[in-house]
Amino acid sequence: GENVEQHPSTLSVQEGDSAVIKCTYSDSASNYFPWYKQELGKRPQLIIDIRSNVGEKKDQRIAVTLNKTAKHFSLHITETQPEDSAVYFCAASYTGTASKLTFGTGTRLQVTL
Amino acid sequence: DTGVSQNPRHKITKRGQNVTFRCDPISEHNRLYWYRQTLGQGPEFLTYFQNEAQLEKSRLLSDRFSAERPKGSFSTLEIQRTEQGDSAMYLCASFSSGGTDTQYFGPGTRLTVL
Repeated sequence: GENVEQHPSTLSVQEGDSAVIKCTYSDSASNYFPWYKQELGKRPQLIIDIRSNVGEKKDQRIAVTLNKTAKHFSLHITETQPEDSAVYFCAASYTGTASKLTFGTGTRLQVTL
Repeated sequence: DTGVSQNPRHKITKRGQNVTFRCDPISEHNRLYWYRQTLGQGPEFLTYFQNEAQLEKSRLLSDRFSAERPKGSFSTLEIQRTEQGDSAMYLCASFSSGGTDTQYFGPGTRLTVL
């Protein structure tokens, strides 16, 4: 089955700096890669996603890049703000059948003033 | 609010007791998923339904676990003879197949087994 690895496990940046979180996946059939933000005690919330037919996607301060050949995808947050502090999870799935998500282990992002 | 609701939000039980959780998905969503999340980890897939049919179960789902979605709307997850290792957050998610592929999560039920 699919295996997703995520790095780093913790990341501390100063307000205004950029943050990058990286994930690798194992199953070349995976074609959908969402990123979820989870604040303490809250539900995971989708912040951006990318499909395998696209190499990059951007939404304001957030961007995701995908390298299908290397099976890597990354989340980029620019101009970080204190409210970006949370745990971020990458995930991968194959949307042709079950579409079940396989998650990474999470990155705790701390944005300091 | 994404529209997926779960009840109860918290459940404390003694080892050996049975517990049941409920998930109400977004009304037009035909797919419903159950995931389990332990502290410091990402959610892990347990099982999913398309309408009322349970189509896949993870090997994480021992025979003490059973899930139903009798009318293709809400779903229940029952754990029999709970063990301390069952303590976790149980998350439900839903989406509409043929739509955007986005799974919307509920707030979860936090289970503590004493």
